[in-house]
Amino acid sequence: DTEVTQTPKHLVMGMTNKKSLKCEQHMGHRAMYWYKQKAKKPPELMFVYSYEKLSINESVPSRFSPECPNSSLLNLHLHALQPEDSALYLCASSLRERSYEQYFGPGTRLTVT
Amino acid sequence: DQQVKQNSPSLSVQEGRISILNCDYTNSMFDYFLWYKKYPAEGPTFLISISSIKDKNEDGRFTVFLNKSAKHLSLHIVPSQPGDSAVYFCAAFAYSGAGSYQLTFGKGTKLSVIP
Repeated sequence: DTEVTQTPKHLVMGMTNKKSLKCEQHMGHRAMYWYKQKAKKPPELMFVYSYEKLSINESVPSRFSPECPNSSLLNLHLHALQPEDSALYLCASSLRERSYEQYFGPGTRLTVT
Repeated sequence: DQQVKQNSPSLSVQEGRISILNCDYTNSMFDYFLWYKKYPAEGPTFLISISSIKDKNEDGRFTVFLNKSAKHLSLHIVPSQPGDSAVYFCAAFAYSGAGSYQLTFGKGTKLSVIP
């Protein structure tokens, strides 16, 4: 199984809503990542979890709150988002945090209204 | 400051011919270079990588060439197939001191293979 899955595929939420994005992998990878990708731009790193602990937070606003309940799951909790947060949110995993080969999920297309 | 640059936003190639996607970088400390392929509505898929100590890596129809003196790498696809039509991202990975690292992506090149 070399797949990273993400749910939901699409999400529309209002600025006062609370929602969560989910990511799962069963490759035994111990590093998991959240990226944000706007149209016609490369992915931008948001968070890195290594062995279920937050390793890197790239100065992301607190309205984005990551959580890693176990080695296979990664969540991104969303609250009080702004329309400019609308983007494709990609989850990725790698064998270890410093492994250069990352496997990406299909992404969640988020629209904030 | 863009450390990884893909100067061609798009490329069209006839089926069966060679596709050459180019990437330039500015940081000489990058340890690995990677190519990802992305279809619409999907996440990037890892395609091929090359270590900074090598100048060529081949995997089937895909070959990546690295010219360190020119800080340039290229991805060759031979022969090109319509299913190769996608956006290709060049990425570079660097380990740095104190256990930190960075993975930097280029802006991507959209490849269209015409049947």
